[in-house]
Amino acid sequence: AQTVTQSQPEMSVQEAETVTLSCTYDTSENNYYLFWYKQPPSRQMILVIRQEAYKQQNATENRFSVNFQKAAKSFSLKISDSQLGDTAMYFCAFMRPPGGSNYKLTFGKGTLLTVNP
Amino acid sequence: DARVTQTPRHKVTEMGQEVTMRCQPILGHNTVFWYRQTMMQGLELLAYFRNRAPLDDSGMPKDRFSAEMPDATLATLKIQPSEPRDSAVYFCASGLGTWKLFFGSGTQLSVL
Repeated sequence: AQTVTQSQPEMSVQEAETVTLSCTYDTSENNYYLFWYKQPPSRQMILVIRQEAYKQQNATENRFSVNFQKAAKSFSLKISDSQLGDTAMYFCAFMRPPGGSNYKLTFGKGTLLTVNP
Repeated sequence: DARVTQTPRHKVTEMGQEVTMRCQPILGHNTVFWYRQTMMQGLELLAYFRNRAPLDDSGMPKDRFSAEMPDATLATLKIQPSEPRDSAVYFCASGLGTWKLFFGSGTQLSVL
């Protein structure tokens, strides 16, 4: 079974600075997807960024980028120029290729990020 | 914008009562997931449907929980009888069988 581990239950950063959230996972699959989701106090699950395992290039979405190390099974999220609106719970998640009976999102326990003014 | 609709948003009930949570997936989506979120366990998969058929409900306590899709526009999650340890936020998500899932806003359940 796949497991996703986020070793930082809480983190804080000053506004405009950069912060990196860590995630490791365990799988025997070669092809899969990795995600970071953001959950603000509104409870809504918001997709931040996605990475396909077969792509070597790290995904980037504006101020959000990942460092994907497939051999090390590591998938960290870097947030640049942190903003107060980035304050939220961040979940790392793993998904096998869609279509099979094991098609599902497996989540880590989350990292609570607080951006301080 | 199309979205997944969950009702109710909040539910407070007493131990032993039946609880029904509803989810309206995005029209045309053929996969539906139920997740439970607690502080201790994080987000856990309870059940997964494709084309209204349950494919995986191994994460769901079978003695008190049941999940169904009576039609393509409605998914239900029932707890009978409810217990205080069931207090959590229950999320529904739907998709078209791709990597992209759309989450509802969740039902926050409190069992007293």
